Amino acid sequence: GAVVSQHPSWVICKSGTSVKIECRSLDFQATTMFWYRQFPKQSLMLMATSNEGSKATYEQGVEKDKFLINHASLTLSTLTVTSAHPEDSSFYICSARTPPFLAAYEQYFGPGTRLTVT
Amino acid sequence: AQSVAQPEDQVNVAEGNPLTVKCTYSVSGNPYLFWYVQYPNRGLQFLLKYITGDNLVKGSYGFEAEFNKSQTSFHLKKPSALVSDSALYFCAVRGVNNAGNMLTFGGGTRLMVKP
Repeated sequence: GAVVSQHPSWVICKSGTSVKIECRSLDFQATTMFWYRQFPKQSLMLMATSNEGSKATYEQGVEKDKFLINHASLTLSTLTVTSAHPEDSSFYICSARTPPFLAAYEQYFGPGTRLTVT
Repeated sequence: AQSVAQPEDQVNVAEGNPLTVKCTYSVSGNPYLFWYVQYPNRGLQFLLKYITGDNLVKGSYGFEAEFNKSQTSFHLKKPSALVSDSALYFCAVRGVNNAGNMLTFGGGTRLMVKP
């Protein structure tokens, strides 16, 4: 099946710094990518949907200026957590969806990135 | 708006016994239903999906799920549980008529299989 990678798998940063997380679709072109956030023992919460070449659509309550999303190519989306604070510590998971014209039209998930802000 | 409910936070089962993880959904139109499994500090792995056709769907690792339209349920099942099945399981629905075609996840159910 299709593979989605994330980098880094874990990161520790100091409060006030910015962190960039990359999400790549390795063997397919993803016209749409999704970013989720998961707190311990909780479900995935959709943060934003990004379509290649256009601005991301953020879910209600997600600060677009804090969580910058760039989907510059069909295989790469980045999430930048700006001026990170301890409450931003979480597990961030990206997901990439195959183009709608493909029969599968599936959504594939990356392995996640554990962010810890000290 | 579409929604998914997983009524059990945790399911405990002995190895070798059958297991069921419950899921009910609410969506406009015909649903696309999914089950995913998540191991600690890992992303989600696809188990199976229902799009159309037979109500009993077979997936990875011996799991299956039964779509019941009248009860709006999509329970995950396995005839004989393994200790290695212990993980967090998520049910998800994607509404066909949802212009955004986004997945909505249930709260997750932790499956504990004891030797």
